[in-house]
Amino acid sequence: GAVVSQHPSRVICKSGTSVKIECRSLDFQATTMFWYRQFPKQSLMLMATSNEGSKATYEQGVEKDKFLINHASLTLSTLTVTSAHPEDSSFYICSARSGSWEEKLFFGSGTQLSVL
Amino acid sequence: QKEVEQNSGPLSVPEGAIASLNCTYSDRGSQSFFWYRQYSGKSPELIMFIYSNGDKEDGRFTAQLNKASQYVSLLIRDSQPSDSATYLCAVNPDGSARQLTFGSGTQLTVLP
Repeated sequence: GAVVSQHPSRVICKSGTSVKIECRSLDFQATTMFWYRQFPKQSLMLMATSNEGSKATYEQGVEKDKFLINHASLTLSTLTVTSAHPEDSSFYICSARSGSWEEKLFFGSGTQLSVL
Repeated sequence: QKEVEQNSGPLSVPEGAIASLNCTYSDRGSQSFFWYRQYSGKSPELIMFIYSNGDKEDGRFTAQLNKASQYVSLLIRDSQPSDSATYLCAVNPDGSARQLTFGSGTQLTVLP
């Protein structure tokens, strides 16, 4: 399957700092990437859809000024959690769509964010 | 109302048995269906996808789709302890959307 690389895998930061998470499609071009958040023992919650060269589309209830998404190229999308607070602590996962009609999603390895 | 429903489990089966995971969806126009496996602390891994009614087999895994009943299932034959994970059902709601709707997952434990 397609490879999606996500870094860092784990971040521990102080409250009020900003954290950047990178998501790269290594062997394919992804015009669309997705960012999810997952709390323990819960399913994936879609936060936003990242489109190359245009503004991200955020899901209802997700603050676009807090979760900044940049999709500058066909292989890279970044999520920046600005002024992080303890309630932002979560598992953040990116995914990218591979292929045309098959609509398969492949996931990055995830980033565990812990805000102290 | 949830769009994709799964029994959260936990589901326990003995090693070597068949594990049966079920998923129902509400949008009758849904076009494609996926099963992901997620180990604790890891991201989901695609294991099966199905688009047409009937069965699709891949190794020990069989996906079954019944669009009339809005039901998709995953069978795991000869279950192994390494199959112990949470299995997520995902649905593409309208065939043109680029995002999937996920169920809450079923936790499977295969007992040695």
